[in-house]
Amino acid sequence: DIQLTQSPSFLSASVGDRVTITCRASQGISSYLAWYQQKPGKAPRLLIYAASTLQSGVPSRFSGSGSGTEFTLTISSLQPEDFATYYCQQLNSYSYTFGQGTKLEIK
Amino acid sequence: EVQLVESGGGLIQPGGSLRLSCAVSGIIVSSNYMNWVRQAPGKGLEWVSVLYAGGSTFYADSVKGRFTISRDNSKNTLYLQMNSLRAEDTAIYYCARDLGQGEFDCWGQGTLVTVSS
Repeated sequence: DIQLTQSPSFLSASVGDRVTITCRASQGISSYLAWYQQKPGKAPRLLIYAASTLQSGVPSRFSGSGSGTEFTLTISSLQPEDFATYYCQQLNSYSYTFGQGTKLEIK
Repeated sequence: EVQLVESGGGLIQPGGSLRLSCAVSGIIVSSNYMNWVRQAPGKGLEWVSVLYAGGSTFYADSVKGRFTISRDNSKNTLYLQMNSLRAEDTAIYYCARDLGQGEFDCWGQGTLVTVSS
């Protein structure tokens, strides 16, 4: 099974900061990678799919890049509503895997 | 507007069975890839199972042989039959629609399953 490892697991940042979260796959997954945002008590929200395609309605400060085994999610200028937990997710051979999550906290 | 509403969660003893439902409106369940994803208390997301539009089903190794995903086209509802439940199955269970390449764009609010004696 393909494993996804996110780094960092915890991130402390301030409003207006630019932040990057990395997701590494244990083997190549082409561009079959999505990113989600989850706030406490809520279901996850799709942000990015196919590694770099912004989901409809998601602010343009969110962007994704990468292919193969290394991917990044970048938030260009943090807003108060962006403090949440972020997950990457992959699809390979009829099996899906999520990363362990990155908790983004206010500094 | 697409809506997914899970139900059927609750407290169940180890070894017991439970059936979760996901009532869907706004899309046709049988025309979509539908998934179950779970989240143990304070933990990350774990994919559980998928039912493809064509009828194929796939499961995470952790639930294979114990859980069964199905749908009722007349009710536009997705199900998860969970047997031989274990303490480690305790989680919020979400249903989610997959656009086709692993991107889950619509989620329900989740239903909590607690396995405990």
